[in-house]
Amino acid sequence: EDQVTQSPEALRLQEGESSSLNCSYTVSGLRGLFWYRQDPGKGPEFLFTLYSAGEEKEKERLKATLTKKESFLHITAPKPEDSATYLCAVQGNSGYALNFGKGTSLLVTP
Amino acid sequence: GAVVSQHPSRVICKSGTSVKIECRSLDFQATTMFWYRQFPKQSLMLMATSNEGSKATYEQGVEKDKFLINHASLTLSTLTVTSAHPEDSSFYICSASGQGSSYEQYFGPGTRLTVT
Repeated sequence: EDQVTQSPEALRLQEGESSSLNCSYTVSGLRGLFWYRQDPGKGPEFLFTLYSAGEEKEKERLKATLTKKESFLHITAPKPEDSATYLCAVQGNSGYALNFGKGTSLLVTP
Repeated sequence: GAVVSQHPSRVICKSGTSVKIECRSLDFQATTMFWYRQFPKQSLMLMATSNEGSKATYEQGVEKDKFLINHASLTLSTLTVTSAHPEDSSFYICSASGQGSSYEQYFGPGTRLTVT
């Protein structure tokens, strides 16, 4: 059974203080690993898809990396508007459904 | 591109009534749509997967007679919660895939259902 574990559950950063969020996973045949951002009361917003170990993708202050067992979402010099819950999900070769982790709630203070 | 809408955004209904939620892909054709449920401070739990023109596939523990899913076109899927009870109160989110890579899912803004 696919499993996704995200850590930490919550993270508080000062503006400009870089950090990383972790997503550990087990899946039978990784088709893709996805990162989403979710604001309170809203649907998830797509950030990245990673398909194979060693792959990296960047978007503004965010950079996602992937190994065979985990993915990291690096946040460089975060701003208060980066405050949100970041969700990691995996898609295995059994279908197109996503299996989500519980998310990391990020708060960036000025 | 890849915009998914949901309607309504919020709905309050009385126990025993039914409520329909619409999910539309606005700028692409969605061959597959997914329905998720999210309880407070919890992650998204997949309820069902639907492909246009065929019956939905439900996850274990999800009652297909209670949560009716119709995917009649490549841009519209509906979820009907029948005989709603207070325990059905939740945040329902749809997603759609089909643009470019079939692996990526784009989510709607969600529908907050409150059953009184």
